[in-house]
Amino acid sequence: DTAVSQTPKYLVTQMGNDKSIKCEQNLGHDTMYWYKQDSKKFLKIMFSYNNKELIINETVPNRFSPKSPDKAHLNLHINSLELGDSAVYFCASSPQGYWGEQYFGPGTRLTVT
Amino acid sequence: AQSVSQHNHHVILSEAASLELGCNYSYGGTVNLFWYVQYPGQHLQLLLKYFSGDPLVKGMKGFEAEFIKSKFSFNLRKPSVQWSDTAEYFCAVRSGGSQGNLIFGKGTKLSVKP
Repeated sequence: DTAVSQTPKYLVTQMGNDKSIKCEQNLGHDTMYWYKQDSKKFLKIMFSYNNKELIINETVPNRFSPKSPDKAHLNLHINSLELGDSAVYFCASSPQGYWGEQYFGPGTRLTVT
Repeated sequence: AQSVSQHNHHVILSEAASLELGCNYSYGGTVNLFWYVQYPGQHLQLLLKYFSGDPLVKGMKGFEAEFIKSKFSFNLRKPSVQWSDTAEYFCAVRSGGSQGNLIFGKGTKLSVKP
């Protein structure tokens, strides 16, 4: 069974479109995250949610909006996609109190044309 | 602001060679330290971690890392690499007072020649 899953795995879309990436974890963790990994493999946190509440929101354009319907899900919605949004987006989760020990999903490779 | 530096961008070794990947961080307080590995086409996995206690920590597949507080370092080592160790290695730091904000280094790509 996959611990942290993301859909879709690949997403190719045109500039200006709106798209969503879904993330689910079946580990019972309280905290979930979204990271962006750029073409140089640099991994940077975007958002962190703890029990459905936003606790970290790094400098990310407001075109990016995370939504957590329950503590097992953290979806990422992106409006008006731009070329610079092309990257691999990773979802992760961690147990309460062990925030550094994160379990990552397989990633979603977003390509904006 | 906290930062994590990985000095080697790309390391190329032959099988059986010894490995040491450098990692330095900038934060004066209590830290938790991690090494994550990303094998080709796969997601990140935790390789090893340091929270407290013995500064020499051991992880999976024969990797170990040593926390040297005075040098703000957490270098990753393996005495004898294998071709299957080819991957990207990321050092990460979390300061003791923050909630889940893990700062990653830029990664070191390790290529092991058979």
